[in-house]
This record gives sequence, C-alpha cells and structure tokens, in this order.
Amino acid sequence: EVQLVESGGNLVQPGGSLRLSCVASGFTFSSHWMHWVRQAPGKGLVWVSQINPDGRITTYAESVKGRISISRDNTKNTLYLDMNSLRADDTAMYYCARGDNWHYQYWGQGTLVTVSS
Amino acid sequence: QSALTQPASVSGSPGQSITISCTGTSSDIGGYNYVSWYQQHPGKAPKVMIYEVSNRPSGVSNRFSGSKSGNTASLTISGLQAEDEADYYCNSYTSSDTYVFGTGTKVTVL
Repeated sequence: EVQLVESGGNLVQPGGSLRLSCVASGFTFSSHWMHWVRQAPGKGLVWVSQINPDGRITTYAESVKGRISISRDNTKNTLYLDMNSLRADDTAMYYCARGDNWHYQYWGQGTLVTVSS
Repeated sequence: QSALTQPASVSGSPGQSITISCTGTSSDIGGYNYVSWYQQHPGKAPKVMIYEVSNRPSGVSNRFSGSKSGNTASLTISGLQAEDEADYYCNSYTSSDTYVFGTGTKVTVL
C-alpha cells in the first residue's frame, strides 16, 4: 500500500524557517517525481514545487522561488521542503504527492504550517 | 502563473448531470493534454478523478468524464449522487515546466 506521511508543520514567527518532511512507503520512491502542494485555510490548492527522481531537477512556483527549496533522500525514502523567510501568506496545509504521468495519484494527509507572531 | 479559472459553484439534483469548466491559456491547457481533475471532501486530501484530459484511474466511477477544447477543459459528472458533493479542482502542466491548479468549484447536490 502506497503511503505518504508528512511531518514538520508548526507555528512559526514571520521571518522564521521550517523544514517539512514526507516519508514514502509502498513503492519505489527513487523512481518517481515528487511534488509539494499547499492549501491556505478555506482556499484552493496551489502547486508549490517538484523534484525529479534523482533529485537533480527542481522547479518552483513563482510565488515561492528563492524562499523555498525542495530536496530528497532516496536512501531514506524521504522528501523535504525547506522554507525560509516565512510570511503570513505561507500559512497553509502542505501536502506531498507522488507524480504519475503529469498528475498526482497519491497524496499524504498534510502537515499544517502557521506563520504568526 | 495565474490560477486556471473555474466557476465558484455548480449545483444539481440527484440523477442530473453537471459540467465544470476550467479555462486557461495556450501555455497550459491549450498546449498540453496534461489536464487532471481532483475531488476534495472537507478535511480530506484531494483524490484524482481524471488524468490526461479524459482518463479515469482505476476505481473511479464511470460517471466522471473529462474533455478539452482549445484552452478550456471540462469535467462532467453524470447521475449526480449525494457523495459527489465536494470541491473540485483542475490542474494543468505548463510551458514553464510547472503546474497550475484551478480556482476550485464547490459542487452542491440539491
């Protein structure tokens, strides 16, 4: 059974930093593109970033470029999202998702990031 | 990259058919057959209903179908059921090698 389990979400002050993790199981992690998608409270889904299977290719939404970094450790079956200079509008549920032929077949349950003083 | 445009809400009675539109540009929907649709119930993670414009994943009801014409994609739900009440989002690959979601549509079963 494919499972994606996010963690690391927390309450953080504006300007602070946070690292989110997503542990994968039930499939060959090192063979798949992985994505982060976020959803602010009561708002819609927003694609954030993607990383290719070997970790060498990454792309980001314009709204997070320069402040957010995606990475992966295939030996630990883990996807990461490092977030810096956090702002109030980064407050959201952050989901990791497995990329499958340009769509997201499997999603985690999400981890909540709250940016507030 | 601006969000794809969807109607805020669509409603229908049980058994009826409804269609949700998703309008983009030639740099996303119009340029690629990589449109997918997601259903999200409150407090839950999204679930893929359609991928590559019109393909249905295993386990998704054949009451869900997708299509595309030019820069607009559509999701049709036929034989509407109470369990279909949820938020629906379209998603497209873009020419910038990124992805973009739609603004979301709340489906209400009357």
